[in-house]
Amino acid sequence: GAGVSQSPSNKVTEKGKDVELRCDPISGHTALYWYRQSLGQGLEFLIYFQGNSAPDKSGLPSDRFSAERTGGSVSTLTIQRTQQEDSAVYLCASSFLAGSYEQYFGPGTRLTVT
Amino acid sequence: AQSVTQLGSHVSVSEGALVLLRCNYSSSVPPYLFWYVQYPNQGLQLLLKYTTGATLVKGINGFEAEFKKSETSFHLTKPSAHMSDAAEYFCAVSGSGGYNKLIFGAGTRLAVHP
Repeated sequence: GAGVSQSPSNKVTEKGKDVELRCDPISGHTALYWYRQSLGQGLEFLIYFQGNSAPDKSGLPSDRFSAERTGGSVSTLTIQRTQQEDSAVYLCASSFLAGSYEQYFGPGTRLTVT
Repeated sequence: AQSVTQLGSHVSVSEGALVLLRCNYSSSVPPYLFWYVQYPNQGLQLLLKYTTGATLVKGINGFEAEFKKSETSFHLTKPSAHMSDAAEYFCAVSGSGGYNKLIFGAGTRLAVHP
């Protein structure tokens, strides 16, 4: 149906708390990507899923970050023990095939760690 | 390794004037190149892409870009700026492998004044 959706749109959390960010890709899209957009670092790749597998996790900044994808559809990005430097907009994108070059982006989740 | 450099974090033009946003890339493999636009509080929207074939590519909203291998450039142009073009523009590169993790430039914020 519609485009990539992400929830929540905004999340404010206290330092040290865990957060979960959700991404619903476009139906039928097999590839799913997470990116982070922050003032200091710009747009950075975090992780890529093909189906439920994550062949490339190279962008995850620390072991506090993890992600999973179930049913080849919804993905959750989890940040444990949040730090202030985790404050950013987390963007999800999906594409029909891994080799398809058009990625469709969601509106993002703005995470603020206080 | 791949990287992208966008020259000029801020560009300001008059309505009706030529828009030129500069992008240079570095890639050890044949690059695939993209321009995305981001309007305030929104996700990224693909403007145009170069994968193979014709080096002058046309995108949405009257934008076009030319891939110049000898100059490692992929500059974005539009003959006549419109107020609605005000946004942030990102150049990105990916490899031609089985999937396309995007490596983004730092972005250029385009302002259009009457």
